Amino acid sequence: AQSVAQPEDQVNVAEGNPLTVKCTYSVSGNPYLFWYVQYPNRGLQFLLKYITGDNLVKGSYGFEAEFNKSQTSFHLKKPSALVSDSALYFCAVRGTTNKLIFGTGTLLAVQP
Amino acid sequence: DAGVIQSPRHEVTEMGQEVTLRCKPISGHDYLFWYRQTMMRGLELLIYFNNNVPIDDSGMPEDRFSAKMPNASFSTLKIQPSEPRDSAVYFCASSLVGSNSPLHFGNGTRLTVT
Repeated sequence: AQSVAQPEDQVNVAEGNPLTVKCTYSVSGNPYLFWYVQYPNRGLQFLLKYITGDNLVKGSYGFEAEFNKSQTSFHLKKPSALVSDSALYFCAVRGTTNKLIFGTGTLLAVQP
Repeated sequence: DAGVIQSPRHEVTEMGQEVTLRCKPISGHDYLFWYRQTMMRGLELLIYFNNNVPIDDSGMPEDRFSAKMPNASFSTLKIQPSEPRDSAVYFCASSLVGSNSPLHFGNGTRLTVT
């Protein structure tokens, strides 16, 4: 069975500092990994995905994620956080069943 | 591209009433998913369709829940009878074929059952 874990309910970071939101996964076969962001009263928006190839994936709004097969991790990163990045972030894995399974979400709070 | 369209945005109903949530996926997408989001349980996959055919409904909580996709451009999620514990935000999402395709979400329907 496929699963995703986001160990932090909330991450606090000062504006301008780098941010990391953690994610680990478990899946049979090749993982297809995704990050989504959710703003209040909105649906989830796709940020980036890892399919194969380069372990550093670049996505929307300056976000990137690093795939680490040995640690089964897919952490979301950004070199310099903005207040407007404050939102709920979800990691997700989609396996051969085509089901997209989400983690519990991490609330990112960027302080000015 | 208008995106995934859900209606209504908000629904307030009394316990025991029938509720129908509607979704129009992105044209050309082969997959359609229904999710439920609550504080306690997070995002739960209820059911998904491929080419209008239900593939996996193992997430549907009870027989009170049913979903249909009569054609490629429309799906409904029905709750009959509704209960207060069904209160949640219900999301519809669609995607192209392939496990590497991202899902595109609608803005959700916030259901409140009193």
